[in-house]
Amino acid sequence: SSELTQDPAVSVALGQTVRITCQGDILRYHYASWYQQKPGQAPVLVIYGKNNRPSGIPDRFSGSSSGNTASLTITGAQAEDEADYYCNSRDSSGNHWVFGGGTKLTVL
Amino acid sequence: QLQLQESGPGLVKPSETLSLTCTVSGGSISSTSYYWGWIRQPPGKGLEWIGSIYYSGSTYYNPSLKSRVTISVDTSKNQFSLKLSSVTAADTAVYYCARRIDYYDSSGYSPIFDYWGQGTLVTVSS
Repeated sequence: SSELTQDPAVSVALGQTVRITCQGDILRYHYASWYQQKPGQAPVLVIYGKNNRPSGIPDRFSGSSSGNTASLTITGAQAEDEADYYCNSRDSSGNHWVFGGGTKLTVL
Repeated sequence: QLQLQESGPGLVKPSETLSLTCTVSGGSISSTSYYWGWIRQPPGKGLEWIGSIYYSGSTYYNPSLKSRVTISVDTSKNQFSLKLSSVTAADTAVYYCARRIDYYDSSGYSPIFDYWGQGTLVTVSS
């Protein structure tokens, strides 16, 4: 399957740790990249590869992968982390790219 | 700093062709390291990859849209374009253009969509 599956919604208490997951067969072979999207804004890359953060992304964001599941972890979630998060990877054909359905993160 | 900017009509009639252009500034669209693509997001829904193009003109399309999509590049203008034919209300969405890098390291492969346009809302309605 070329699909990537995410939980629709996750919540976390301010300052606590939250893991957002992305499942798909293709993740056994490729890493996911992760994007944060706030209302009315374009997505922003937060994690790529095994666990790489672009310049300007806080180190409370980290990535990991095991089997068919990629995870984005926010350690010490802040109010500004409330957003939609999308995973993305390449499908089995190697020439198409797919996004997960997105996870809405609420910081309580 | 690289910037991408979408442009085109915000309203398209059903059965007609949606046409958008992405203008790249602050860098060359002809770089061998990058691919250029379109991604859309219907109101209140998730992201959908539409397709990508390399500066040489090689294209890759979402299989679900392939019969209706054409992406082209104009290196002289540092632009690439999207055409989506026979549109319906289901094609109403914010359309983003973005740059993609195919990132490889010793651990494996990951796509990177690192620069995005601000997005443009296209509404399909009569």
